[in-house]
Amino acid sequence: QSALTQPPSVTGSPGQSVTISCTGSSSDVGRSTHVCWYRQAPGTAPKLMIYEGANRPSGVPDRFSGSKSGNTASLTISGLQVDDEATYYCSSYSYSSACLVFGGGTQLTVL
Amino acid sequence: QVQLQESGPGVVKPSETLSLTCTVFGESMNSYYWTWMRQSPGKGLDYIGYIHHSGATNHNPSLRSRVAISLDTSKNQFSLKMTSVTAADTAVYYCVALRNVWAMDYLGQGTLVSVSP
Repeated sequence: QSALTQPPSVTGSPGQSVTISCTGSSSDVGRSTHVCWYRQAPGTAPKLMIYEGANRPSGVPDRFSGSKSGNTASLTISGLQVDDEATYYCSSYSYSSACLVFGGGTQLTVL
Repeated sequence: QVQLQESGPGVVKPSETLSLTCTVFGESMNSYYWTWMRQSPGKGLDYIGYIHHSGATNHNPSLRSRVAISLDTSKNQFSLKMTSVTAADTAVYYCVALRNVWAMDYLGQGTLVSVSP
């Protein structure tokens, strides 16, 4: 059971936008600025896509954006491409456990 | 470019100790929080803990009693020891360069450790 709740899967069409949610609590997502999003393709290590809720590391396209409202963080991918297919994970610092917690992952399919 | 490389046995017997080492290339050990993560087959990500060159450590409370993380700056390495392993500890273990805002900047390719008799 993951600390943060993500939908198991989302589907979008090329060119469209999708939003993946990440719901936690007032002890993690709701309180922490340290919310991240990662992309993991099969057989590879996760790659940082968003940090501090809305910041993109160098090299990440601006099609990827992050936001937060209350206890829920969101990752929006606009202008979907087939190459965006992967599993996306959210993470947050948890003040209750004083460590990093993750969501269970969302499989993005681009049809 | 920062690169991390995990090394260690791929199979560990139940009740024994899992030992992994991560070698860091292209970065000073005075940067980052050197972290271990794991991912059970077909499952999500689990945080294990970190060590900082200052000596500061942090552990997942669920694993704290079984985990020790150490740092050898002379070799640009950090290590994980996990005692009393069970089948539930079978996972791909990643070493990670964690930024001070709890963001995983760089990860190793991961190494599969199976707990099996």
